[in-house]
Amino acid sequence: ELKVEQNPLFLSMQEGKNYTIYCNYSTTSDRLYWYRQDPGKSLESLFVLLSNGAVKQEGRLMASLDTKARLSTLHITAAVHDLSATYFCAVDMVNTPLVFGKGTRLSVIA
Amino acid sequence: DSGVTQTPKHLITATGQRVTLRCSPRSGDLSVYWYQQSLDQGLQFLIQYYNGEERAKGNILERFSAQQFPDLHSELNLSSLELGDSALYFCASSPRASGGRTYNEQFFGPGTRLTVL
Repeated sequence: ELKVEQNPLFLSMQEGKNYTIYCNYSTTSDRLYWYRQDPGKSLESLFVLLSNGAVKQEGRLMASLDTKARLSTLHITAAVHDLSATYFCAVDMVNTPLVFGKGTRLSVIA
Repeated sequence: DSGVTQTPKHLITATGQRVTLRCSPRSGDLSVYWYQQSLDQGLQFLIQYYNGEERAKGNILERFSAQQFPDLHSELNLSSLELGDSALYFCASSPRASGGRTYNEQFFGPGTRLTVL
């Protein structure tokens, strides 16, 4: 059974600081997604990572995938308040629906 | 806007009642997924339909059922409602049944907020 673990689950960080969210998964896969969810809102697709070594960047967020380590990271650079949200990673495997992590609730404070 | 629509946006009902949530997938997507999100349980996968057929089942209670119609829209039926069923219910859609030789990203609808009093 595929397990997806995110850490930390809660993160409070100061504006302007850098931090990384980690997503570990238990079974071989080379496809991973990151989603963002604002409170009470839907999940919005952020990044699609499709191969080992894939790196995607959008603004202050950068995601990477290491399939050998079964690890994806979401790096936040110089955090701003607008990045406050919950971030989910999800792993894609053949013949199963996406398996989601529990989410990391990020709060950026002044 | 993901292209996935859900109705209603909000639903308030009483314990013991039955409700139906509706979802229309993105144009061209054949899979529909239902998720429940409550404060203490995170995002829980309930069930997947692909081209009208049940494809995968998650943590769906026996009081809940779903179906996908020939036009690919889907309905989630919740019966004998309990207080604990209060949650956000999301529908998502994707092009294929699962990730095979290519990826199968899911796109989420805006959700239905169900409140059981």
